Amino acid sequence: EAQVTQNPRYLITVTGKKLTVTCSQNMNHEYMSWYRQDPGLGLRQIYYSMNVEVTDKGDVPEGYKVSRKEKRNFPLILESPSPNQTSLYFCASSPPIRGDYNEQFFGPGTRLTVL
Amino acid sequence: SQQGEEDPQALSIQEGENATMNCSYKTSINNLQWYRQNSGRGLVHLILIRSNEREKHSGRLRVTLDTSKKSSSLLITASRAADTASYFCATTGYGGATNKLIFGTGTLLAVQP
Repeated sequence: EAQVTQNPRYLITVTGKKLTVTCSQNMNHEYMSWYRQDPGLGLRQIYYSMNVEVTDKGDVPEGYKVSRKEKRNFPLILESPSPNQTSLYFCASSPPIRGDYNEQFFGPGTRLTVL
Repeated sequence: SQQGEEDPQALSIQEGENATMNCSYKTSINNLQWYRQNSGRGLVHLILIRSNEREKHSGRLRVTLDTSKKSSSLLITASRAADTASYFCATTGYGGATNKLIFGTGTLLAVQP
C-alpha cells in the first residue's frame, strides 16, 4: 500500500531532550516536507527536500533540523525541544514537481508535547 | 507567510444540503489545491485547479477560481455525514515558490445526519 508513515504517533517529552520523528514513504517520491499544525494557524511548512541531500527551509524552521540521506526517509530532529514546539506534526511527500502539479500525500501525524 | 484564509471558519449543515467554503489568498499563484482533514488525521488531497482554469469538478466537488479577486470556492453537493471534516485550501507560487505549499487556516464542516 502506497503510504507515508511517521513514528512515533504520540510523544511526550521534556524541555531540552533531543528527539527525532521519523518519516518514510514507499512511493519513490522525490519531494518531501514537514509541517506543523497549530490551532487557528493552519499548517505551516518547517522544511522541505527536493531530493536526496537537498533540503531547504520553509516558513518556520527555527529549532528544527532535517536530513535526507535516502530518498524514502526524511527525519525531523529537534535538538533541544521547547514547549512552543508542542504541536501536531505532519510529513508529506510528492511526485517530482514538474510544471504545476504537486499534490502532496500526508502521513498520519505525530502529536508532540514538550513539558 | 500565511497565504490562504478560509471563510467561514465553521459551517454546520444538514445532510443532503450543499456546503460552500471560500478561500482568499494574497499573492499570485501557480495552482490552488483543496485538502480534507478528518479530526486529528493526515490531510487528503481533494482537487487541484490551475491558475489558468476557472472551474473544475470531481464527483460531488466543484471548485472555482477567480484570480482577479484572488479567491476560490469549494462546493460540496448533497453532503453526507461522512463529509464532516476540516477543509483547507493551499496555494503554490511560481519559480522557487512552486516548492512550497502554503495552507490557509481551514473551514470546519459539520454535516448533521
